[in-house]
Amino acid sequence: AIRMTQSPSSFSASTGDRVTITCRASQGISSYLAWYQQKPGKAPKLLIYAASTLQSGVPSRFSGSGSGTDFTLTISCLQSEDFATYYCQQYYSYPRTFGQGTKLEIK
Amino acid sequence: EVQLVESGGGLVQPGGSLRLSCAASGFTFSSYWMSWVRQAPGKGLEWVANIKQDGSEKYYVDSVKGRFTISRDNAKNSLYLQMNSLRAEDTAVYYCAEELPLGAFDIWGQGTMVTVSS
Repeated sequence: AIRMTQSPSSFSASTGDRVTITCRASQGISSYLAWYQQKPGKAPKLLIYAASTLQSGVPSRFSGSGSGTDFTLTISCLQSEDFATYYCQQYYSYPRTFGQGTKLEIK
Repeated sequence: EVQLVESGGGLVQPGGSLRLSCAASGFTFSSYWMSWVRQAPGKGLEWVANIKQDGSEKYYVDSVKGRFTISRDNAKNSLYLQMNSLRAEDTAVYYCAEELPLGAFDIWGQGTMVTVSS
């Protein structure tokens, strides 16, 4: 199975900050990578797929980049509603696998 | 409105069985691969299984192979997960999810809780 490793596991930031979360795959996955946001008690929400394609309705302050094994999710200007846990996920091969999550907290 | 609604969760003893259902509405269910994804309490997300549009292909994570069976009924716009020989480590919220072409999970249900405990 492809292992997905996110860093950091948790992070404190302030509204207005620019933040970057990284995700590394244990082997190359081309651009078959998605990013999700999850808030407590809620289902995950798809933010980005194909490594850099913004899902419809997702604010443009979210962006993704990378290919192969190294990927990033950037939030350009943190809003209060962005404090949540973020997951990367590969869909290059089976089993589909997720990163362990990055919890973004208010500083 | 595009929607997925899971049901069938509950408390079951180790070794027991449970069948989860997921009712789809607001989109052409028969046109999409569908998945089950689970999340143990306080833990991350784990993909469990998926099924092709016509049911002809199914894939599972190793930890559930031989115990869980995914199926679908396109006439009823419904997805199912038959879970047998349940273990404590199967305790989780189970989500159904619609897959975009190539595999990102676009639409998610609200989840149904499965607790395996004596």
